[in-house]
Amino acid sequence: AQSVTQLDSHVSVSEGTPVLLRCNYSSSYSPSLFWYVQHPNKGLQLLLKYTSAATLVKGINGFEAEFKKSETSFHLTKPSAHMSDAAEYFCVVSPNNDMRFGAGTRLTVKP
Amino acid sequence: DTEVTQTPKHLVMGMTNKKSLKCEQHMGHRAMYWYKQKAKKPPELMFVYSYEKLSINESVPSRFSPECPNSSLLNLHLHALQPEDSALYLCASSPLQASGSYEQYFGPGTRLTVT
Repeated sequence: AQSVTQLDSHVSVSEGTPVLLRCNYSSSYSPSLFWYVQHPNKGLQLLLKYTSAATLVKGINGFEAEFKKSETSFHLTKPSAHMSDAAEYFCVVSPNNDMRFGAGTRLTVKP
Repeated sequence: DTEVTQTPKHLVMGMTNKKSLKCEQHMGHRAMYWYKQKAKKPPELMFVYSYEKLSINESVPSRFSPECPNSSLLNLHLHALQPEDSALYLCASSPLQASGSYEQYFGPGTRLTVT
């Protein structure tokens, strides 16, 4: 069965410093992977998706993620955090239109 | 138009009330979903409609009754809810394909409080 594990429940960074949100996946074949962001009391917004076309995926708002098959990882990064990045982030694996969410990582950005 | 809309934004209902949540998309997607999200938790899948037919029911209590009147609309009828049903209810849609996955587009959600 496919699943994802988000390795940190909470990450805190200072504004202007890099962001790293970690996600490991479990899959017996090449998965479809996504990162979503959810601001307080809002719906989920797609940041980026991996569907085997390229291992480095660029998303919206300066985020990107690298698919590493050897490490079964799909970590989300951003070079410089902005206050507006403070939110909950979900890593998702999706076999056949069935989305399986990680537990989420809450990102806090300090001024 | 890549938007999924949901109404109402907030709903407070008593345990004996009957109410409905509404979801709409005009992206031509043929899969639509209802999720329930409790605070500080990921969304939990409730129902999936494919081509306007219920394809997945994740053992949801019968006090939740989904309906898909056409390819753009999805309703969730609520009756005799319990306080523990208070949550954010999210609707999503996606294209359908035979294998692999497309991303899902989420609406802003309906914040439901059961008193």
